[in-house]
Amino acid sequence: GAVVSQHPSWVICKSGTSVKIECRSLDFQATTMFWYRQFPKQSLMLMATSNEGSKATYEQGVEKDKFLINHASLTLSTLTVTSAHPEDSSFYICSASPLAHTYEQYFGPGTRLTVT
Amino acid sequence: AQKVTQAQTEISVVEKEDVTLDCVYETRDTTYYLFWYKQPPSGELVFLIRRNSFDEQNEISGRYSWNFQKSTSSFNFTITASQVVDSAVYFCALSGPSGAGSYQLTFGKGTKLSVIP
Repeated sequence: GAVVSQHPSWVICKSGTSVKIECRSLDFQATTMFWYRQFPKQSLMLMATSNEGSKATYEQGVEKDKFLINHASLTLSTLTVTSAHPEDSSFYICSASPLAHTYEQYFGPGTRLTVT
Repeated sequence: AQKVTQAQTEISVVEKEDVTLDCVYETRDTTYYLFWYKQPPSGELVFLIRRNSFDEQNEISGRYSWNFQKSTSSFNFTITASQVVDSAVYFCALSGPSGAGSYQLTFGKGTKLSVIP
């Protein structure tokens, strides 16, 4: 149980375009979903926290107009990278916390974004 | 504020050696959770263990063991008889309340383990 999927697993896009990444909790409902970013050889950095039906809370230094997060249901959150640039190339990982155990986070497999 | 320190950036061991990965944490919360994750080259995080702040009992799972000591704020991870498949980056993480009933994870910088055949 507790499976989180991400789609796509990798994507290449041209500079200036927008990319949407989906995060789904497949067998549980998630009160809260998180989005992380990981640069090569670095740790995971929390970008934002989203609760279903409300606006996401962004970490300091993360541009909310650039990284649009929508948490439309208890099983789906999306991250849209708008007007992507090469410096946005990174590994994006989502996680989801179940209703019953909010201290727990189940991670998706990640999405590798390359902006050319 | 929460903080997790993994002082070892990279470790190399020869297969069958034992290796311990260190993790030291800081938190003001009395209730918190500690985790270890493995991240192989594929990138997907693999959950290894969760410990809550009230359970200092050490745990062993096959070749893996964990030593949780609140007195030194440490949660170290030992791999016995290491294997090449253990090569990965290992992250220690701390989960504490962030308000409104939710928790937030703070990751250490990770330790890259290379097991040489």
